This record gives sequence, C-alpha cells and structure tokens, in this order.
Amino acid sequence: QKEVEQDPGPLSVPEGAIVSLNCTYSNSAFQYFMWYRQYSRKGPELLMYTYSSGNKEDGRFTAQVDKSSKYISLFIRDSQPSDSATYLCAMKRGNEKLTFGTGTRLTIIP
Amino acid sequence: EAGVTQFPSHSVIEKGQTVTLRCDPISGHDNLYWYRRVMGKEIKFLLHFVKESKQDESGMPNNRFLAERTGGTYSTLKVQPAELEDSGVYFCASSRDSLSDEQFFGPGTRLTVL
Repeated sequence: QKEVEQDPGPLSVPEGAIVSLNCTYSNSAFQYFMWYRQYSRKGPELLMYTYSSGNKEDGRFTAQVDKSSKYISLFIRDSQPSDSATYLCAMKRGNEKLTFGTGTRLTIIP
Repeated sequence: EAGVTQFPSHSVIEKGQTVTLRCDPISGHDNLYWYRRVMGKEIKFLLHFVKESKQDESGMPNNRFLAERTGGTYSTLKVQPAELEDSGVYFCASSRDSLSDEQFFGPGTRLTVL
C-alpha cells in the first residue's frame, strides 16, 4: 500500500468552476503538507504549505488538512485555463524527504 | 535569486553506458535532495545531503547509483552502468537548514536509456 494515495485523473472542468483535489495518507507521523503544481516539462512549484491540521487560504487557493482522517484537500476557486497542470500532494516529517502522491492532471476548459 | 538548476535537461544513452547528472542548488541552501519520477509512478526520494554529508540515502535503488556533493555546493548523480529501468525524470531540490523550509525544485533531467 502506498503511503500517499491520489487520484491521477485526468480531471476536466469548465473555466470558472471550483476544483477539488484530494489525497489520503497512512503515516500519522507526517507534519507538513504541501501542494505542488507542475506544468509540462517543468519542475514542481510549491503552491500551498500547511503545518498540521487546519485551513490555509491564498488567493483563489485553499488547502485543508484533517489529520484525524489523514486527508488533505486543495480547492481552486474561479478556475482559469492557466491552472491547467498536474497537481501533486506531498508531505513530510521535519526536515526529511518529501513523500508524493502520483499527481492529478487537471484541465480547465475555456 | 537564481533557482535550482540542473544539467543536462535531457540525456539519451545506451544500456550499459554511464551518465552523470548535475544539480546546482540555490546559493546558501545546505540541504540538497534528489528525487526520481519513473513514467506512470509518483516522484520518489533518492537521497538527501546536508552540506557535503549524506543524511539519508535510503531511496537509492542500488549500487549503480553514486551521488556526491563536493564542498557542499553542487551535486552530481552518476548512473553506471545504466539499465532500461533507470529511465525517468530526475529532480533535484534544495532548502535552507530549517525544519519548516520548503524544498525548491529544479526543472529536472529527463533520462532515456535505450
């Protein structure tokens, strides 16, 4: 069983819709939770970074962490074609390695 | 501030040959990580340097892979001899010496072994 599970998609939604991306994990030791965005042929770029449980909002993006359920989410409001990318969840304990989900390929249809 | 750079961007080699990948982290970042993404799979950790020391190399697949970080600056990852299953995208990331600091990723090196 993988430590982090993420639906690979692909996911296609119309422009302006709310997008919901999710990951579940099995290792309760994870403390830091991240969402990365990766465009084709580029490296992952950090979008959201959350420590422990709770919500964090940054512009059109909201990250939620529920440690009791071992479940994290990323919401994108008013989605734009430029949001089309692969979204990767990742998590870690302290200053250690990142453990990634497989990534969800998202397409926003104009 | 320059980001993490990796060289080459793409390498195509024959099975049995040797390839060396290079990563230049962000200046001042003591932590350097190597990750790999094999087609269809998630990005997986290979190893972690703190300055010039290997902090964690639990993700290195076998002894055909050798990583070095001379003087705590740039790092190289050598694959010798390369096998077909080594094909994938190799990412380097760096972070400052802090528990909570984010890891900044380079653009990756796409390795194809024929």
